[in-house]
Amino acid sequence: DAGVTQSPTHLIKTRGQQVTLRCSPISGHKSVSWYQQVLGQGPQFIFQYYEKEERGRGNFPDRFSARQFPNYSSELNVNALLLGDSALYLCASSGGFYNEQFFGPGTRLTVL
Amino acid sequence: SQKIEQNSEALNIQEGKTATLTCNYTNYSPAYLQWYRQDPGRGPVFLLLIRENEKEKRKERLKVTFDTTLKQSLFHITASQPADSATYLCALGDDKIIFGKGTRLHILP
Repeated sequence: DAGVTQSPTHLIKTRGQQVTLRCSPISGHKSVSWYQQVLGQGPQFIFQYYEKEERGRGNFPDRFSARQFPNYSSELNVNALLLGDSALYLCASSGGFYNEQFFGPGTRLTVL
Repeated sequence: SQKIEQNSEALNIQEGKTATLTCNYTNYSPAYLQWYRQDPGRGPVFLLLIRENEKEKRKERLKVTFDTTLKQSLFHITASQPADSATYLCALGDDKIIFGKGTRLHILP
């Protein structure tokens, strides 16, 4: 079975630009979460979506938005990129009662 | 606000010994707690989940304890091997999952 997939794997943008990251969950999983991880820190929760509805939002500015599609895949959008947005962006899907997170390989975003 | 603290940034353990990692939390009463492993450049991998009514959970060489009075979880790896070297993360939460910073474990041959 395929795990969580994310695209692209790496991305380089300049300040002020916009970026869209994509995620496909494990087949049968209806929940997708997005995290930001900077070096030396644990993943920081950005959003969780379940059945196309937002179920949770972390402490991130409105420049960050996301959506989930009918096939449960998801996109994370970040507008007006800042240098501080450089990080590994992780997508995780879950299908269990206890919300165990199954992570993708991540997208490494570099903002210059 | 809710906080998770993991005991140290790095831990060096001799091969064959038991590694013990600590996770403390404040301002939260979780129904369950999760542990993950993360290798450099990769996403975290789910290892174990322990519920508040469980004192201990085991999976092969891994053992997790959960003390809701102390607000603490301990993660043990017995008979440690160099392949166990990684960062280990604890996590709490339901819809909004909070991760600790992680502990980098080095198993020395």
